[in-house]
Amino acid sequence: GAGVSQTPSNKVTEKGKYVELRCDPISGHTALYWYRQSLGQGPEFLIYFQGTGAADDSGLPNDRFFAVRPEGSVSTLKIQRTERGDSAVYLCASSLTSGLAGTDTQYFGPGTRLTVL
Amino acid sequence: AQKVTQAQTEISVVEKEDVTLDCVYETRDTTYYLFWYKQPPSGELVFLIRRNSFDEQNEISGRYSWNFQKSTSSFNFTITASQVVDSAVYFCALLNTGTASKLTFGTGTRLQVTL
Repeated sequence: GAGVSQTPSNKVTEKGKYVELRCDPISGHTALYWYRQSLGQGPEFLIYFQGTGAADDSGLPNDRFFAVRPEGSVSTLKIQRTERGDSAVYLCASSLTSGLAGTDTQYFGPGTRLTVL
Repeated sequence: AQKVTQAQTEISVVEKEDVTLDCVYETRDTTYYLFWYKQPPSGELVFLIRRNSFDEQNEISGRYSWNFQKSTSSFNFTITASQVVDSAVYFCALLNTGTASKLTFGTGTRLQVTL
């Protein structure tokens, strides 16, 4: 079956602009995660959804970052007033379930490379 | 707090050599999961293996094998008879069941396999 898909694959924007990054999880996966990977580093957790609700957004760096998952499937990560330090690869992952009852493997998408000029 | 350390930043080997990638983790939890992911040049993280903290049996899958030792908090990954296609960045990751399923990754080890 289809894996996690992310669009766009690359996004170049100017400092101060607003961007949206989209993630389409594996069909049937209820949990969805966003991570950010800077050059030479491992991915760092941003936020995770169980269904439509953000169950843990402790990794969001500040209030310029926001994510939604209105129908419990596709998610959008939104970044306002982008800064050069936001440049990174944004990775999305999904798993069958999550939380204490589920520790299912997270499967990752190809990522969106965001460059803020 | 949880932490994953991959002390080897880069390893270069010649094809057919065996190579071991080290992973040391820290956690206060008694129940946790450990993972290895491969990130080839294309950028996508590919799941390789998952182990839970109650299962210390070593695992072999083809040319890959994993050695989990709770006594030393290590979860090392060995590739036998390496091939050029094994060239990638490999990440070890920790998942604590009490922290809402977020993975904590190490900084990765870049493996370069040459002919």
